[in-house]
Amino acid sequence: LAKTTQPISMDSYEGQEVNITCSHNNIATNDYITWYQQFPSQGPRFIIQGYKTKVTNEVASLFIPADRKSSTLSLPRVSLSDTAVYYCLTRDTGRRALTFGSGTRLQVQP
Amino acid sequence: GAGVSQSPRYKVTKRGQDVALRCDPISGHVSLYWYRQALGQGPEFLTYFNYEAQQDKSGLPNDRFSAERPEGSISTLTIQRTEQRDSAMYRCASSLEEGGGQPQHFGDGTRLSIL
Repeated sequence: LAKTTQPISMDSYEGQEVNITCSHNNIATNDYITWYQQFPSQGPRFIIQGYKTKVTNEVASLFIPADRKSSTLSLPRVSLSDTAVYYCLTRDTGRRALTFGSGTRLQVQP
Repeated sequence: GAGVSQSPRYKVTKRGQDVALRCDPISGHVSLYWYRQALGQGPEFLTYFNYEAQQDKSGLPNDRFSAERPEGSISTLTIQRTEQRDSAMYRCASSLEEGGGQPQHFGDGTRLSIL
C-alpha cells in the first residue's frame, strides 16, 4: 500500500500563515484530495478539498502540484482556535478504500 | 437532526460479548463509511456502502467484524466475540455521493471499551 505521510506536529503563533504538507505518492488519478480538522473528542470536520492546482475557500487554501504526489494545506493568519489535528484523506490507485494521513498536530501560541 | 448520528455514544462490555454500533447518516446521503480511530491516531478505514451495497470491506480487521445497510439508510457495524484490542472510537461518516467532490460528514462516534 502507498503511504500517506504528514509531519507529526507543527508550532505557530497567532496571525502567522501555516502550511501543512501531505505526501501521497500513489493516489487515484480521478479522486479528490480532502483535508479535515479534528478537535479532541470530536469527529473530523471538513476543511477543503481539491483535485488539482489551487483551491481557496473562506478558511483555507489547498495547493496540489501537477503530479498530485503531495498537497499543501495553507491556513492564513491562524488563531488559537486553530489548534487541532489536521488530516489529509486520499484514495490509493486501484483501491476503493480511503486512507487518512497520519495527522499533523498544530499548536498555535499567543 | 441534520448531522450524522451514532449510537450509543459510549459502550462498555465484557470480552466475548457481541456489540452492535448504529449509524444514522444525513438524509439523502448515498455513501456511508465506517472508520476506527485509536487514541492519538488517525481514522482507519473499515468499510463503506453506496446505498445498500457494500463497496469495499478490505479494512475490516477479521471475520468478527461485519457491517450492513439493508435499506440504504441506517447502518450497523457488528463486532462478535469482542476482544480487548477492539477498544477504540468507531466513527461513521456519510456523503452525498461517492467521489465527485462530495466531502464526508462525520458523526461524534461511539467509544467502545472492552473489559
